[in-house]
Amino acid sequence: SYVVTQPPSVSVAPGQTAKITCGGDNIGHKNVNWYQQKPGQAPVVVVFEDRDRPSGIPERFLGSNSGNTATLTITRVEAGDEADYFCQVWDAATNRVLFGGGTKMTVL
Amino acid sequence: QVHLVQSGAEVKKPGASVKVSCKVSGDTLRRLSIHWVRQAPGKGLEWMGGFNPEDDETIYAPKFQGRVTMTEDTPTDTAYMELSGLKPDDTAVYYCSVAEVVRGVISTVWFDPWGQGTLVTVSS
Repeated sequence: SYVVTQPPSVSVAPGQTAKITCGGDNIGHKNVNWYQQKPGQAPVVVVFEDRDRPSGIPERFLGSNSGNTATLTITRVEAGDEADYFCQVWDAATNRVLFGGGTKMTVL
Repeated sequence: QVHLVQSGAEVKKPGASVKVSCKVSGDTLRRLSIHWVRQAPGKGLEWMGGFNPEDDETIYAPKFQGRVTMTEDTPTDTAYMELSGLKPDDTAVYYCSVAEVVRGVISTVWFDPWGQGTLVTVSS
């Protein structure tokens, strides 16, 4: 069955750029969505359909998707960006939604 | 703007059932596709199922098939998720969310907004 893989953690200094990856076989052919979840809160979508942002999400959040890797790039990282990030796809072979295991982003 | 408010925390014994509600405001349930996702303590997100507008039917993750039922009460704009045969590892926060589906194609699905979550604790 299809599997999406994320690194467990990434660390980044304030003002720098963070890259969070989501790997899967030919994931470039799927729509990838990204969610931010802060402690004790529900997830919030930050990127949908690979690269689109909902209203209210800063332009610092950028999505890309090609080949076997989708990437969420966060530029000019702020302390308030510290959170867990999850990628999500639809697996047509099994007719279900799949989430990556999540990446904990720490702002140093 | 759509807003989802879920029912309160529940404590259940193994083998029991739980029914979590999700009240919609800002739109009517009839126009929305509601899905359910759970998160065990300290763990990731796990999709349970929801309405597929492409096939006009509710779909369930294989893991929960036969144990979960998702229903809707359109007059009150409230969605429900009932999970039976509870086990301790069903302890989790259960979220409802609105599935956004572009041009009715389920493969585009993403979730926004989400309810605040309902903690279900299963313990003897």
